[in-house]
Amino acid sequence: DAKTTQPTSMDCAEGRAANLPCNHSTISGNEYVYWYRQIHSQGPQYIIHGLKNNETNEMASLIITEDRKSSTLILPHATLRDTAVYYCIVISGGGADGLTFGKGTHLIIQP
Amino acid sequence: GAVVSQHPSRVICKSGTSVKIECRSLDFQATTMFWYRQFPKQSLMLMATSNEGSKATYEQGVEKDKFLINHASLTLSTLTVTSAHPEDSSFYICSARDPASGGTDTQYFGPGTRLTVL
Repeated sequence: DAKTTQPTSMDCAEGRAANLPCNHSTISGNEYVYWYRQIHSQGPQYIIHGLKNNETNEMASLIITEDRKSSTLILPHATLRDTAVYYCIVISGGGADGLTFGKGTHLIIQP
Repeated sequence: GAVVSQHPSRVICKSGTSVKIECRSLDFQATTMFWYRQFPKQSLMLMATSNEGSKATYEQGVEKDKFLINHASLTLSTLTVTSAHPEDSSFYICSARDPASGGTDTQYFGPGTRLTVL
């Protein structure tokens, strides 16, 4: 699976949109971009995933560049409960393997 | 999303004892489950892949005789830490693949089990 690069940490004001970037320049055609988050002392929570098109669900939006080498996770109205470590992971189609977690981005929502 | 549970959420045991952790997919059938552990201030590390009805496959450096995995049904996998020692103290987390998630099989995670070995 392709490697990803994320900033170590980010701050965002409560109520504003949080935009978390991820680089995955070696992604191949059948690999999906997945986002999970981990709130302290809890298991990771699935947020969203996409292949080529932008995706939106009740939690977030995922914007994938046309060349698929990078993506941005958008939390439209961040709340204090969104403070967590966010992981961007590239997964081969079929998803048969366990996930490789990098260090992720520690997002801190400021009141 | 799909729900995965773990039991117990927290366990404290004496050195040399064995501890069993259960992972259940509550609203879907999972032919494959995964076990991870997380040490303080570190990311999750994959330990093993658990396939229903067959032997688990372990990542390099994970002792299969110490971490026994059983996946006897499509909704239950268990991890037994045998003869636990203080260095086994960690946060153990399971995940399960939901084959109905479309395109590629999304993994859903349990809430984790905090193991402390005295």
